[in-house]
Amino acid sequence: DGGITQSPKYLFRKEGQNVTLSCEQNLNHDAMYWYRQDPGQGLRLIYYSQIVNDFQKGDIAEGYSVSREKKESFPLTVTSAQKNPTAFYLCASRAGGRYSNQPQHFGDGTRLSIL
Amino acid sequence: QQQVKQSPQSLIVQKGGISIINCAYENTAFDYFPWYQQFPGKGPALLIAIRPDVSEKKEGRFTISFNKSAKQFSLHIMDSQPGDSATYFCAAPREGSQGNLIFGKGTKLSVKP
Repeated sequence: DGGITQSPKYLFRKEGQNVTLSCEQNLNHDAMYWYRQDPGQGLRLIYYSQIVNDFQKGDIAEGYSVSREKKESFPLTVTSAQKNPTAFYLCASRAGGRYSNQPQHFGDGTRLSIL
Repeated sequence: QQQVKQSPQSLIVQKGGISIINCAYENTAFDYFPWYQQFPGKGPALLIAIRPDVSEKKEGRFTISFNKSAKQFSLHIMDSQPGDSATYFCAAPREGSQGNLIFGKGTKLSVKP
């Protein structure tokens, strides 16, 4: 089955700890995205990548880092600098690269909480 | 910062009724305007999308209306069912960033049996 897999489904972070959220897609999509969802806030863009080995900051990148070493993978690290990390994190992908108007498709999210 | 304003924040509709959710956007790239449906604990799923060269698109019970001059678009759910109870998000293309979207803050729809 083609799709976007996010893991783990639930994650707990201790103070001062970095944690990494996994996002894998087998849709052969060029572009990938990370969003943060808080109640009543909609989806806010953290980072995005249009092609392998390239990524850009979104609206709320502070305290987060990403890598895009493979087309199918776009992991997100929530660093200790992110003081309010509790949220639902969503990964998305889109076909066609930089000049495409294809829709974004989402994984089922990772819920991150502070211990 | 570019915004998409979505209303209402929550909506209660009786089974069989019409649910209407509205969105207004600012200057944007004219690309396509999608609506997403999200159930609790799940990621948003693409419901229906419209390109700005048409004023209306219908898929089953779901219709998008688009008013380019007013910079507004809306989702109509006809014959609403309890299974439609979910949170709905509109989105608009982000200006200057091909393929990126700006999302509304969502509308929580409850359809009462």
